[in-house]
Amino acid sequence: AQSVTQLDSHVSVSEGTPVLLRCNYSSSYSPSLFWYVQHPNKGLQLLLKYTSAATLVKGINGFEAEFKKSETSFHLTKPSAHMSDAAEYFCVVSGRPGGGADGLTFGKGTHLIIQP
Amino acid sequence: NAGVTQTPKFQVLKTGQSMTLQCAQDMNHEYMSWYRQDPGMGLRLIHYSVGAGITDQGEVPNGYNVSRSTTEDFPLRLLSAAPSQTSVYFCASSLQGLNTEAFFGQGTRLTVV
Repeated sequence: AQSVTQLDSHVSVSEGTPVLLRCNYSSSYSPSLFWYVQHPNKGLQLLLKYTSAATLVKGINGFEAEFKKSETSFHLTKPSAHMSDAAEYFCVVSGRPGGGADGLTFGKGTHLIIQP
Repeated sequence: NAGVTQTPKFQVLKTGQSMTLQCAQDMNHEYMSWYRQDPGMGLRLIHYSVGAGITDQGEVPNGYNVSRSTTEDFPLRLLSAAPSQTSVYFCASSLQGLNTEAFFGQGTRLTVV
């Protein structure tokens, strides 16, 4: 089985400062990892994904994440926050190859607040 | 391309009523899923399908039915609505498998009173 823990339920940063959203995972397999963003009253949009290629993954809107197997982490970062980054962010780990009810496991989310 | 389309966007039901949440995708994806999102819980898998005519239960299937008669459509039926089913429901589709990149609809916000 697999699980994912988002270490902060809320993160508040000032506009123009760096963003760090933390995610730890556990998996019995070699997982794929994803970050999704959900703006208020919207669906989920894929920010970036790791699928066993480069460990530093670049996504949309200036976000990136680094896969660290030794630390079982996949933290999301951005050098400079923008007001439009205010949203809910979900770290997601894939399940057993072949899918089934193990398909995707979602973290509980981190609410990112941007202070002007 | 529209992607994944869900209807309705909002719905209020009385306890005991039934309804169907519609989901359609135009990307020819074989894999489709229904999730519910509750505050502080992330998304939890209700039912999924790996192709037309094939469905199975996810983590929280009780009180819901699904069918998959075509590749495009994957409706979710609430048989007898309960207040515990108040939630936001998301439909998703994926190309290469249930544990790969998923494309989500805009969601249906359901309130059961």
